[in-house]
Amino acid sequence: NAGVTQTPKFRVLKTGQSMTLLCAQDMNHEYMYWYRQDPGMGLRLIHYSVGEGTTAKGEVPDGYNVSRLKKQNFLLGLESAAPSQTSVYFCASRQLQGLNQPQHFGDGTRLSIL
Amino acid sequence: ELKVEQNPLFLSMQEGKNYTIYCNYSTTSDRLYWYRQDPGKSLESLFVLLSNGAVKQEGRLMASLDTKARLSTLHITAAVHDLSATYFCAAFTGANSKLTFGKGITLSVRP
Repeated sequence: NAGVTQTPKFRVLKTGQSMTLLCAQDMNHEYMYWYRQDPGMGLRLIHYSVGEGTTAKGEVPDGYNVSRLKKQNFLLGLESAAPSQTSVYFCASRQLQGLNQPQHFGDGTRLSIL
Repeated sequence: ELKVEQNPLFLSMQEGKNYTIYCNYSTTSDRLYWYRQDPGKSLESLFVLLSNGAVKQEGRLMASLDTKARLSTLHITAAVHDLSATYFCAAFTGANSKLTFGKGITLSVRP
């Protein structure tokens, strides 16, 4: 069982380029989340989705867009990358039911913007 | 707005000794999570604390939750090198299962 898979694992972009990060989960989870992790900042929520076809803004949504066309996939897009978006990006998912269920995280995507 | 604070941010521990780290949160939350992250790796779920007075233990780690004090503690018994990692707590915001994370506490166990 793969769990949460993020693609790619590493990427270097030039300022102004665009790219899409893919998150795929095989646990049939309803909820999916995108976070960024910066040194000394913990994890900050960018966008999230409560189900197929729905998305919502998190704490730091500016400069990012997301889509959830299929339940198992959650895409994070950078339309015009900026150096401030250099970070490690984590995707997570959680099932709808069960108070004791944690969010399950992928291995992260390390993104550098030059 | 829910804020989560962890302290200290870095702790050097001596092997074999006991330590406690703290997680405070600013507004009412009835669910608290602890995660572990090894350098360059993903986050691994350790504990989910669901109610006031909840206590959970796994090996040398024991977590507890006091919702009235808005405080969770992670107690480490007889620290060993394998416990060296960054530990995050996250409080449940009550909406769409969103979590607010603390900045993390990096533990380093020395011989």
